[in-house]
Amino acid sequence: GENVEQHPSTLSVQEGDSAVIKCTYSDSASNYFPWYKQELGKRPQLIIDIRSNVGEKKDQRIAVTLNKTAKHFSLHITETQPEDSAVYFCAARRNAGNMLTFGGGTRLMVKP
Amino acid sequence: EAQVTQNPRYLITVTGKKLTVTCSQNMNHEYMSWYRQDPGLGLRQIYYSMNVEVTDKGDVPEGYKVSRKEKRNFPLILESPSPNQTSLYFCASRGQAVAQLSYNSPLHFGNGTRLTVT
Repeated sequence: GENVEQHPSTLSVQEGDSAVIKCTYSDSASNYFPWYKQELGKRPQLIIDIRSNVGEKKDQRIAVTLNKTAKHFSLHITETQPEDSAVYFCAARRNAGNMLTFGGGTRLMVKP
Repeated sequence: EAQVTQNPRYLITVTGKKLTVTCSQNMNHEYMSWYRQDPGLGLRQIYYSMNVEVTDKGDVPEGYKVSRKEKRNFPLILESPSPNQTSLYFCASRGQAVAQLSYNSPLHFGNGTRLTVT
């Protein structure tokens, strides 16, 4: 089955700096890669996703890049703000598959 | 309001006492699933259901049961809870489980159920 590894497990940045979270996956058949943000005490919520036919996707201050050859994908947050502080999860799934496998999570702390 | 509703939010119980965590969604989603969240392990899938009367095991199904008698409800049953099932549980749903566009349908999560088994 799929195995998703996420690094780092914790990340502390100064407000205004960029943050990068990296994930690797094992199943070459995976082709859907969402990222979820979980604020303290709340449910995970989708913030961005990417399919394997695209190498990069941006949405305002967040972007995701995908390298299918190397089987890794990354979340980039620019101009970080205190409200970006949360746990971020990457995930991977096969086309039309039913198992969404999550990484272990990254706790991002943005210091004002 | 479109949502996934879990109950209860918090539950403390003792080893061996059967319990059920309910999950209901009002979005007419075919696909529903249960996850447990543990520090450093992310979200691990327990069971999922592609539609009524169709359920399948996820990564960590041992000690859990589910049922899908109605489209909107997907309860999680712990017949004999043990301390290693102490965790934060999330129910989630998404639409179009069978359609070709299903693979990019986002998961909608419930608010979570924090279970403690002593």
